[in-house]
Amino acid sequence: DAGVIQSPRHEVTEMGQEVTLRCKPISGHNSLFWYRQTMMRGLELLIYFNNNVPIDDSGMPEDRFSAKMPNASFSTLKIQPSEPRDSAVYFCASSYGTLNEQFFGPGTRLTVL
Amino acid sequence: AQKITQTQPGMFVQEKEAVTLDCTYDTSDQSYGLFWYKQPSSGEMIFLIYQGSYDEQNATEGRYSLNFQKARKSANLVISASQLGDSAMYFCATSGSARQLTFGSGTQLTVLP
Repeated sequence: DAGVIQSPRHEVTEMGQEVTLRCKPISGHNSLFWYRQTMMRGLELLIYFNNNVPIDDSGMPEDRFSAKMPNASFSTLKIQPSEPRDSAVYFCASSYGTLNEQFFGPGTRLTVL
Repeated sequence: AQKITQTQPGMFVQEKEAVTLDCTYDTSDQSYGLFWYKQPSSGEMIFLIYQGSYDEQNATEGRYSLNFQKARKSANLVISASQLGDSAMYFCATSGSARQLTFGSGTQLTVLP
């Protein structure tokens, strides 16, 4: 079975450009999570969805960040406009049910110049 | 609110020896889960083991076991018979009613030949 799929794996962009990260969760999972990992802040949750509905977006840094989940098999995280401090590894994870383990995608390494 | 504390930034272990990675947690939830993830240098997050707060038996998965001491709020990971491939960053995490994972700062494990 395929795991969580993320694209692109690497993204290099210039400050001010729009960036869109994509995620396909594991089939049958009903919860999807977006995390960001940096050296300074470690792993932090940005937003999560349950049954395609955003439940908690309190971790989204600011209005430049937005996330959507139009259906059970696809989610996007958009940054517009991007800034150098957004450089990080962005992980998508999915799980089934409450308190169950989350399975992570390979991550997208974003570099904003 | 939930908090995970990993007090060992780095650990060394001789190949074939056992090693314990410490994790303490703080949560106000009555029902919660405890997780360990491995992050090798390649960057992916690999789920290792899960313990539910109501589970009386310590969780085991192959060479991994979770030493769960609820009264002490600790969830230490024990790796038996260490292998060179175990060298990685290890994260402890918890989830509760809010579902999202809260991660510790991680422990970098190095297995020596």
